[in-house]
Amino acid sequence: DTEVTQTPKHLVMGMTNKKSLKCEQHMGHRAMYWYKQKAKKPPELMFVYSYEKLSINESVPSRFSPECPNSSLLNLHLHALQPEDSALYLCASSQLGGGADTQYFGPGTRLTVL
Amino acid sequence: AQRVTQPEKLLSVFKGAPVELKCNYSYSGSPELFWYVQYSRQRLQLLLRHISRESIKGFTADLNKGETSFHLKKPFAQEEDSAMYYCALLRTNAGKSTFGDGTTLTVKP
Repeated sequence: DTEVTQTPKHLVMGMTNKKSLKCEQHMGHRAMYWYKQKAKKPPELMFVYSYEKLSINESVPSRFSPECPNSSLLNLHLHALQPEDSALYLCASSQLGGGADTQYFGPGTRLTVL
Repeated sequence: AQRVTQPEKLLSVFKGAPVELKCNYSYSGSPELFWYVQYSRQRLQLLLRHISRESIKGFTADLNKGETSFHLKKPFAQEEDSAMYYCALLRTNAGKSTFGDGTTLTVKP
């Protein structure tokens, strides 16, 4: 399996809801990433996990809570989001072999916050 | 701080014409640079990385440390090359990446 998969594809939620985004890869990659991408803008890094430990948090608000239960799975828990959080959320993974690794991206979850 | 600049938001060429998408970067360390492409309704995918010095789909990119550039070139553009192209800089071992704002390439028949 050489793909990064993300579920759901689309998500609509209210500002008081709690939801989760899921990302999975079976390429044996030991680094996983969450990005946020607004329309016609580049991806912005949110979080990086290396060997299932959070290694980078780009000053993301606490209403976004990442979780890496194992080396294949990455979740992003969402709570009390704002309408401006509506965006495409991309997951990526890379091998972590030393040096800067190629990141492989999932198709994204399109999130709309009402 | 690391920064990636793609000066052209939109680029339009005719089929068969040469194309060059510009990318400039600023980074105090030793950069690793990538080009990613996003075709309409498809996921972001790697096109090429400077360290491998390969040609993918006829595209090449050379890292010029003197000019801090990593321009993407293709001698003869094809209609299927129409897409959004992002230049990205990755810091070694840190996992921290910075993307340029992207260039939308349109290849006209």
